[in-house]
Amino acid sequence: DIVLTQSPGILSVSPGERATLSCRASERINSNYLAWYQQKPGQAPRVLIYGASNRAPGIPDRFSGSVSGTDFTLAISRLAPEDFAVYYCQQYGSSPQTFGQGTKVEIK
Amino acid sequence: EVQLVQSGAEMKKSGESLKISCQASGYIFKNYWIGWVRQVPGKGLEWMGSIYAGDSETKYSPSFEGQVTISVDKAVSIAYLQWSSLKASDTARYYCARIDLLYFDWLIGEGFFDNWGQGTLVTVSS
Repeated sequence: DIVLTQSPGILSVSPGERATLSCRASERINSNYLAWYQQKPGQAPRVLIYGASNRAPGIPDRFSGSVSGTDFTLAISRLAPEDFAVYYCQQYGSSPQTFGQGTKVEIK
Repeated sequence: EVQLVQSGAEMKKSGESLKISCQASGYIFKNYWIGWVRQVPGKGLEWMGSIYAGDSETKYSPSFEGQVTISVDKAVSIAYLQWSSLKASDTARYYCARIDLLYFDWLIGEGFFDNWGQGTLVTVSS
């Protein structure tokens, strides 16, 4: 199974600043089939990015995804108050699909 | 509008059986896969398994194979997750989620989740 390791576990950022979240895969992911999800307390996750760099419908352009080899990055260019949440990566390039353990973005 | 509406919270005892549901609407149910994801309180997301509503082809995570059963009723657009004998360690919130069709890779049989239910909290006491 592909193991996804997210870092950092907790990221403290001030509103308006940039946040960079990492998701490292234990092996190459087929066709860069990696998605990012945002989960706020008491809510279901929602997809932000699929295919490593494609924004899902309705997602603001301050969210962007990129990849270099087995390293995937989610960047949030200017953190808005509603962006403080937990973020998960998921790979669906091989079966079984797997999730990372999550990164919590908190207010500094 | 795509909607996945899950059944309400359950409180059960160890050893009891349970079946929770996920009512889909707003799209052609039989054309999509639906997955189930577990979230233990305060923890991360775990994929349990997925089912193709068209023919009930099912995939399970090795961690959950034999522990749960996933099924669908196409006639009423409902997906189910069931246990025959619950354990205290099954206490968690369970989400159903639709798997995107446009970018679904049929060779791999996996995809990303584009719509989620609100979750069903299952509490199992010993």
